[in-house]
Amino acid sequence: AQTVTQSQPEMSVQEAETVTLSCTYDTSESDYYLFWYKQPPSRQMILVIRQEAYKQQNATENRFSVNFQKAAKSFSLKISDSQLGDAAMYFCAYRSLGEEYGNKLVFGAGTILRVKS
Amino acid sequence: ETGVTQTPRHLVMGMTNKKSLKCEQHLGHNAMYWYKQSAKKPLELMFVYSLEERVENNSVPSRFSPECPNSSHLFLHLHTLQPEDSALYLCASSQEAYSYNSPLHFGNGTRLTVT
Repeated sequence: AQTVTQSQPEMSVQEAETVTLSCTYDTSESDYYLFWYKQPPSRQMILVIRQEAYKQQNATENRFSVNFQKAAKSFSLKISDSQLGDAAMYFCAYRSLGEEYGNKLVFGAGTILRVKS
Repeated sequence: ETGVTQTPRHLVMGMTNKKSLKCEQHLGHNAMYWYKQSAKKPLELMFVYSLEERVENNSVPSRFSPECPNSSHLFLHLHTLQPEDSALYLCASSQEAYSYNSPLHFGNGTRLTVT
């Protein structure tokens, strides 16, 4: 079974600076999807960015980018020019494509990001 | 308008009560999910419905009973819960249940407290 590990329970960043959130995962599959979700105090989970494992190019969405290291099974999220609205819980998630795993979405435990003004 | 609406936002219930959580999606999706979010634990998938048919039940106790009357509505019926069931219950939907090209859209959740 796949597992997703976020080793940083909490992170802080100064407004306008850059922060990187770590995520590692364990899988025996060669093809899968990876996601970062954001959960602000409103509690709604919002998709931030996603990466297809077969693509070598790192995904980017405006100020958000990932560093996908397939061999190392690492999928970190970089937030540039941090804003107060980025403060939230961030979840890394893995989606299997294999039928035996039912294409489940497996989440990490989350990282709380605090943004200081 | 989030696209996925959950009610109520907060619920406090005793262990002998019966209550229901409601989820409605306005996105025209075919799949709906219930997740449980407990403190300091990863989100746990509870149930998956695809085209109103339950396709996954992840060893959830029978005191949680889902119902999907149509593709836009999903309920979670609760009865004789335990204090450890206190958590945030999140509903989500996606275009298809098992398509990697179909991201989840979440509601705001129901914060459940069992006393």
